[in-house]
Amino acid sequence: SQQGEEDPQALSIQEGENATMNCSYKTSINNLQWYRQNSGRGLVHLILIRSNEREKHSGRLRVTLDTSKKSSSLLITASRAADTASYFCATDKRDDKIIFGKGTRLHILP
Amino acid sequence: DAGITQSPRHKVTETGTPVTLRCHQTENHRYMYWYRQDPGHGLRLIHYSYGVKDTDKGEVSDGYSVSRSKTEDFLLTLESATSSQTSVYFCAITGGQGQPQHFGDGTRLSIL
Repeated sequence: SQQGEEDPQALSIQEGENATMNCSYKTSINNLQWYRQNSGRGLVHLILIRSNEREKHSGRLRVTLDTSKKSSSLLITASRAADTASYFCATDKRDDKIIFGKGTRLHILP
Repeated sequence: DAGITQSPRHKVTETGTPVTLRCHQTENHRYMYWYRQDPGHGLRLIHYSYGVKDTDKGEVSDGYSVSRSKTEDFLLTLESATSSQTSVYFCAITGGQGQPQHFGDGTRLSIL
C-alpha cells in the first residue's frame, strides 16, 4: 500500500507557535496533497505538491516534499485557534484514486 | 465551496435493512467517490465513479454497491446493513486525476 502515514498522531501547541506535521509514504507518487478536517465537517483541500516540486507555500502554510525519503511536511506558521482540526496527507499515482493517511489531530491552546 | 450535497446527513436503522445514501453535485465533475471514516482508520475508499455508469471498487467495497445513472448523482447502497457498517460516509468529487477532491459534509450512519 502507498498509504501515507502522518506523524504525530496528535499535537497540542500554544496559539502563535508554529505547527509541523509529517507524512511518510511507501511507493513512488505522482503528487501529494494535504487536507484539513474540522470537527463534524468534510475534508477541505489545502495544498497540492507534485513529485517534481520540493516546496510550496500558501498563506501561512508551507509544504515540503522529499521524494528520496518518501516524506512530506506541513508547516503552519503563527497558529490560530481556528487551525484546530485534523490534517491528512493523501498520495496518488497516475490513476483515479488517492490514498489518505490516518491524520494528525492539531489542537491550538489559547 | 464546491456544490456537493449529501443526504441524509444522519440516519439510524436496524441490522438487515437496506440503506441508500445520495451524493449530488452541481459542478459537472467526472469523478465521484464514496469513503467511510472510522476512528483509527482514517478515510477508506469504498467505490468510485469515473463517468456515468462507470464505477469501480475501492479498498473496502464488500457489502456496498453504487450506481451513477447521471453525472450529478452517485448513490451508495447497503443492501443489508450490518453493525460493522456504522460509520461516517463522505462523498467527494474531482474534475480529473491529480486534482484536489472536494468533499461533502458527510452522512453519519448508525446500524443498530
